[in-house]
Amino acid sequence: SQQGEEDPQALSIQEGENATMNCSYKTSINNLQWYRQNSGRGLVHLILIRSNEREKHSGRLRVTLDTSKKSSSLLITASRAADTASYFCATDARQGGKLIFGQGTELSVKP
Amino acid sequence: DTEVTQTPKHLVMGMTNKKSLKCEQHMGHRAMYWYKQKAKKPPELMFVYSYEKLSINESVPSRFSPECPNSSLLNLHLHALQPEDSALYLCASSDNAAVYYEQYFGPGTRLTVT
Repeated sequence: SQQGEEDPQALSIQEGENATMNCSYKTSINNLQWYRQNSGRGLVHLILIRSNEREKHSGRLRVTLDTSKKSSSLLITASRAADTASYFCATDARQGGKLIFGQGTELSVKP
Repeated sequence: DTEVTQTPKHLVMGMTNKKSLKCEQHMGHRAMYWYKQKAKKPPELMFVYSYEKLSINESVPSRFSPECPNSSLLNLHLHALQPEDSALYLCASSDNAAVYYEQYFGPGTRLTVT
């Protein structure tokens, strides 16, 4: 089944550094979304990028999408300890609201 | 109000018990979802309701029974669960069950089956 694969699985950086997470998927999509999950809590939507867009920004977040390579990246600039969380990409399965989540990247930002 | 609420926060139940998880949203969203999430894994879709009708059932065992009494409420009835059903159960909603809409998640119910 279509599924996003993310790398790295875990990332540890110092506050102030940039964090880059990558997501690859298998089949064509309408859009790709990124979500954040703090430990044991619900997911929070970060950004949605449509298949005809190449780059999108939201505050300290920058998302790129390369449909030819079936990949996306999430860049968090000037990271903060509060950015410590798991980050998931999610692709649509072309079936009524169904999202397929990648395995996630666990980000740890050390103060 | 952009909040999805879930009750209870934690639930411990035996394999012979019957319990229900509840989810509520007041954003006027017409699509609601149940996900199951095991530790250090991504959420896995269980059910999708669109306009109060079940539109997707991801081959979930019948011991999980969803119900959508109205457009704001979503329940998940649990009966005769197994220990491997222990997980975080997440509810979500979106404006529409179409691919272009972000999903809003509740904080989840941590379920332990003993």
